[in-house]
Amino acid sequence: GAVVSQHPSRVICKSGTSVKIECRSLDFQATTMFWYRQFPKQSLMLMATSNEGSKATYEQGVEKDKFLINHASLTLSTLTVTSAHPEDSSFYICSARGGTGRQPQHFGDGTRLSIL
Amino acid sequence: GQQLNQSPQSMFIQEGEDVSMNCTSSSIFNTWLWYKQDPGEGPVLLIALYKAGELTSNGRLTAQFGITRKDSFLNISASIPSDVGIYFCAGQLGGATNKLIFGTGTLLAVQP
Repeated sequence: GAVVSQHPSRVICKSGTSVKIECRSLDFQATTMFWYRQFPKQSLMLMATSNEGSKATYEQGVEKDKFLINHASLTLSTLTVTSAHPEDSSFYICSARGGTGRQPQHFGDGTRLSIL
Repeated sequence: GQQLNQSPQSMFIQEGEDVSMNCTSSSIFNTWLWYKQDPGEGPVLLIALYKAGELTSNGRLTAQFGITRKDSFLNISASIPSDVGIYFCAGQLGGATNKLIFGTGTLLAVQP
């Protein structure tokens, strides 16, 4: 149980392109989803918290107009990197958490984004 | 962003050895979690700790939630080559957000 699917696994595109990444909880309803960014040899850094049907809460220093998050259903959240530039190249990972109380976050397999 | 202090940064051991790593924080957490991340993949949950002083095992892995709620350790006994990877601790904040703050990671290499 608690499977989180992330798609695509890898994206290579030109500078200026917008890229959408999907995160799905396959066997549970995710009341909250989280988006992280991980640079090489570094830890995961939280970008934003997304609750179904409401606006995402962004961490300090993360541009909400640059990283658009939509959480339209209890099983799907999307992250769109708008007008991506080489400095946006990174490993983006989503996680999902179901219900309330003692529910840990379960992670997707990540998306490797490379902007040329 | 905020990170937890995790040590050691890396470990290179022989197969069969026991391993210990820990995380400390200046903040109190309600939950401590330990994850393992393989290259190019997302973190996989190993152990979740919900109560100060709690000691929990998962096979050869044992983790404890510190009494002060500001630290946690993970032990791996009788290491095997597939234990190779990066181990992260994570403290979960309480309240409505339930955000995770991740440790800096411990790279484990196991030589057969």
